[in-house]
Amino acid sequence: AQSVTQPDIHITVSEGASLELRCNYSYGATPYLFWYVQSPGQGLQLLLKYFSGDTLVQGIKGFEAEFKRSQSSFNLRKPSVHWSDAAEYFCAVQTTGFQKLVFGTGTRLLVSP
Amino acid sequence: EAGVTQFPSHSVIEKGQTVTLRCDPISGHDNLYWYRRVMGKEIKFLLHFVKESKQDESGMPNNRFLAERTGGTYSTLKVQPAELEDSGVYFCASSQTDVSSYEQYFGPGTRLTVT
Repeated sequence: AQSVTQPDIHITVSEGASLELRCNYSYGATPYLFWYVQSPGQGLQLLLKYFSGDTLVQGIKGFEAEFKRSQSSFNLRKPSVHWSDAAEYFCAVQTTGFQKLVFGTGTRLLVSP
Repeated sequence: EAGVTQFPSHSVIEKGQTVTLRCDPISGHDNLYWYRRVMGKEIKFLLHFVKESKQDESGMPNNRFLAERTGGTYSTLKVQPAELEDSGVYFCASSQTDVSSYEQYFGPGTRLTVT
């Protein structure tokens, strides 16, 4: 069965600094990959997704992620963090379209002034 | 366009009581999913409807949980009788059947507390 690991439970980044959130997955083939964000009191919002093709994908709010097959990773990055980025971030995989999402445990991002 | 809505936003019940959660998907979305997040754990899949049919219910924890999707529109998730370990946040998501987009749109969740 597929699984997702987000090794960092909490991360604190200074406003304006760069950010990288780690995600590793376990699956025999290349799954569909997603990053979601949950702000307080909100539902999960899709930041970006990877299905195939270019391994560097751009998302909303200035986020990007790079799929590395050799490392089974799909790390999320942002060059300059804003205070409004403070939220919880979830990496998820899907074996085929319309199937269930399998989530990691989430990484809570704190942004310091 | 309205997003996925869930009702109630919070529910506090005693052990042994019954609770029913409701989800209204985005109009026209045939796929509807239920997920649950227990505190400190990952978000876990419960089940998947395609229209009114259960496509995958492999994540339902036990027979105290009953999900329905009336007429392929809104869905309810009933927990009867509730146990302490059922506490958590229950998310609903929906998606269309267009193969160009597998995105699941999530609702804000229902926070269930069983005391």
